[in-house]
Amino acid sequence: DGGITQSPKYLFRKEGQNVTLSCEQNLNHDAMYWYRQDPGQGLRLIYYSQIVNDFQKGDIAEGYSVSREKKESFPLTVTSAQKNPTAFYLCASTIGGDQPQHFGDGTRLSIL
Amino acid sequence: EDQVTQSPEALRLQEGESSSLNCSYTVSGLRGLFWYRQDPGKGPEFLFTLYSAGEEKEKERLKATLTKKESFLHITAPKPEDSATYLCAVTADSWGKFQFGAGTQVVVTP
Repeated sequence: DGGITQSPKYLFRKEGQNVTLSCEQNLNHDAMYWYRQDPGQGLRLIYYSQIVNDFQKGDIAEGYSVSREKKESFPLTVTSAQKNPTAFYLCASTIGGDQPQHFGDGTRLSIL
Repeated sequence: EDQVTQSPEALRLQEGESSSLNCSYTVSGLRGLFWYRQDPGKGPEFLFTLYSAGEEKEKERLKATLTKKESFLHITAPKPEDSATYLCAVTADSWGKFQFGAGTQVVVTP
């Protein structure tokens, strides 16, 4: 079955630590996105990528980094510079600009 | 600045009690409006895309409509399994950047 796989489902970060969230898709989609979801707020865009080896900052990119070395994979690193990382992180992909985005089941990140 | 506002924030319905959710938007050059359903601890599940004013889409007990300023998601004779948070999003650029509303949490009681 085609879809988007995010791992791990739960992740804990210690002070000063960088952590990486995985996102893999087998939908053959060109575009991929990372969002952050906080209680009572809409999804906020962190980074997006339209093509391999290219990505752009979204609305809240500070403290995060990404890479896009393969079409199928778009990992997100939450760096120690992100002072409030506790949130639900969602990865999405789409075939094109005005087509629906399809989502993984998210990673919940908490601070130890 | 593009904005998407959903109302109400929360809605409690009895089984069979029909209602509507609202998504109002301010965006220049709308390319698409999207409705999603999100269950607790899960990613959003795509429901509908609407591209132009007057368009309607229907799926089981859900019907989405679009005007130039807002969209409605009508839930007809809801069942407890329709309980979820419903999200609305719009896009106005070719990069596929979406702007999401904060969602409406719907609880349907038997």
